[in-house]
Order: sequence, then C-alpha cells, then structure tokens
Amino acid sequence: SQTIHQWPATLVQPVGSPLSLECTVEGTSNPNLYWYRQAAGRGLQLLFYSVGIGQISSEVPQNLSASRPQDRQFILSSKKLLLSDSGFYLCAWSRIWGGAFPDTQYFGPGTRLTVL
Amino acid sequence: RKEVEQDPGPFNVPEGATVAFNCTYSNSASQSFFWYRQDCRKEPKLLMSVYSSGNEDGRFTAQLNRASQYISLLIRDSKLSDSATYLCVVSKMDSSYKLIFGSGTRLLVRP
Repeated sequence: SQTIHQWPATLVQPVGSPLSLECTVEGTSNPNLYWYRQAAGRGLQLLFYSVGIGQISSEVPQNLSASRPQDRQFILSSKKLLLSDSGFYLCAWSRIWGGAFPDTQYFGPGTRLTVL
Repeated sequence: RKEVEQDPGPFNVPEGATVAFNCTYSNSASQSFFWYRQDCRKEPKLLMSVYSSGNEDGRFTAQLNRASQYISLLIRDSKLSDSATYLCVVSKMDSSYKLIFGSGTRLLVRP
C-alpha cells in the first residue's frame, strides 16, 4: 500500500530564517506531487505541483520554492520566511489513470509552521 | 465567482439526525468529483468519490447533478464522530491534473 510522509510535524521559525520541508511517498512510482498551504480557518491553497522529477509548476507568486530531486521526494523551501508564511503545509500525491483525468489526491499528515 | 462554493456552516445537529450538504461548481467540463473530510488540525482524507449515477457508502450518499452543476452529500443517522469539516472537490479539467477544493462545510453533531 502507499504511504506518504512529511516532516517535521511542527516547526517554529523566526522571520527571515530559511525553511525546508520534506515529503516522501512510498509504494508507488511516478506520482504527481502537490504542496498546499492552509491558513488558520481557511481553505487549501495549491502552492506547487510536479508531474515528474525536476518538473515544478508554481501556482502563486511567493517567496517559496519547490524541488523534486527524486521520483518520490518533494521539498518545499524558502530562503527567508515571512510572518505570512505561517500555516499548515500539506503534501499530497496522486496517480493519474486513463491518461486523461486527475485521480484522487492523498495527503500527508502535514507540517504546522509558525513564523514569529 | 469561486470555482467551488460551499456553505461554511456550521451545521449543528443532534445525534441520529440526517444532514445534507450541497456544493456548486463553475466549470461545466469538470469530470472528477470528491468529498473529503478534514478533522481539526488534521489532513484531509477522502470520504467518497462521486460518480455520475450517485453512490452510497454506509450512512453516506453522494449525488451529482451535472445540469445544475452541484454535488450533494447526505449523512444519515449522524454520529458524534461525524463532526468535522467536509470539503467538496472538483477537477480543474485542464492539462495540470489539479483539483479545486472548496473551503468546506463544518458539521457539529451534538449528543
């Protein structure tokens, strides 16, 4: 069966510090991978998605970046955190079937980031 | 207009009640539809995929109305453990394989 891991679970960082969040998927190959952010009491905002190694698409302009160095590894980074970067960061994966339609997305446990 | 719209609630119902949520979507070409459940401070988890003919899973029934572009979720015999936020999710239907998440409807089931 497939599992998705995220770490760390909780993070408190000062403004201006760097960030690196990691997500790995087990039990599947060539998944689509996604990074979302959920601000307190708000909906999910798609930040980045990737359909393959080294392929990253950005959804919103921001001071965050993403990388996919391996098939099942997705990393979210920032060089300098802002207060507004606080939130619940969720990684998700999906497996496209039929070649035409998006499949269900499965989420990792998330990282709760507080920027002070 | 938001791509996926839901009543934020909260819906406050007693145990055993039947409760229904509706969700509307703007892209008539959308093909995939889902309901996710999100508990407080947890990740969203798939509750049901919604098929064109509608589908049922125990106490949960999902319906799709393409003509009116809405999706519904019916929960029968509500349990305390059903208290959560229910997210309506629709495919983006472009080449990106993205899903669009509604902001969620909060359900509170009281004893």
